[in-house]
Amino acid sequence: QEQLLESGPGLVKPSETLSLTCIVSGGSISTYYWSWIRQPPGKGLEWIGYVFYTGSANYSSSLKSRATISVDTSKNLFSLELTSVTAADTAVYYCAKGRSSWKTWGRGTLVTVS
Amino acid sequence: QSALTQPPSASGSPGQSVTISCTGTTGDVGGYPYVSWYQQHTGEAPKLIIYDGNKRPSGVPDRFSASKSGSAASLTVSGLRAEDEADYYCCSYVDNSHLLFGAGTKLTVL
Repeated sequence: QEQLLESGPGLVKPSETLSLTCIVSGGSISTYYWSWIRQPPGKGLEWIGYVFYTGSANYSSSLKSRATISVDTSKNLFSLELTSVTAADTAVYYCAKGRSSWKTWGRGTLVTVS
Repeated sequence: QSALTQPPSASGSPGQSVTISCTGTTGDVGGYPYVSWYQQHTGEAPKLIIYDGNKRPSGVPDRFSASKSGSAASLTVSGLRAEDEADYYCCSYVDNSHLLFGAGTKLTVL
């Protein structure tokens, strides 16, 4: 059964770069689209963007200037970088498989900007 | 872009049916067939319950159904059960191959 696991620092300082990795196990990353979605504490879900295994990516208009999603097929993982973070970027970050709907999700990782 | 419009809350008694709406525009819900719905219990990752407008992933009971009329989508939960109490989010494909979530609806089973 395919599983996704997010990893990365739980605390990031304002103005620095948030970096997260999502490791895909039980399946190959080289077949599909892979997404990042976040959820601020007590609030709703926000789509960040997705990447195809070829490396082609698409981002939310509100985050496009700060977000980069990349894929490493040799390690079967994909990553999110978000630059110049502020307290508003504090959220649980989820990785998920898919482009326009997501059946497989990671457990999520809380990133606090402070 | 603003979130799709969902009622903040909905409720029903066990065995009843509840419908949650998700209203957008011709640029999202009204323009594409790709509306999905997610159930999220507190502290857990969201779970896909409807995709491509009205399709259920394997393992999702047929008590969950969805439809669309114009720029408004809706999710109906029939035969309410205690375990259906959760937050529900709609999501739509948007122009420029983007995705947009609704603000979420908290469903309470009375």
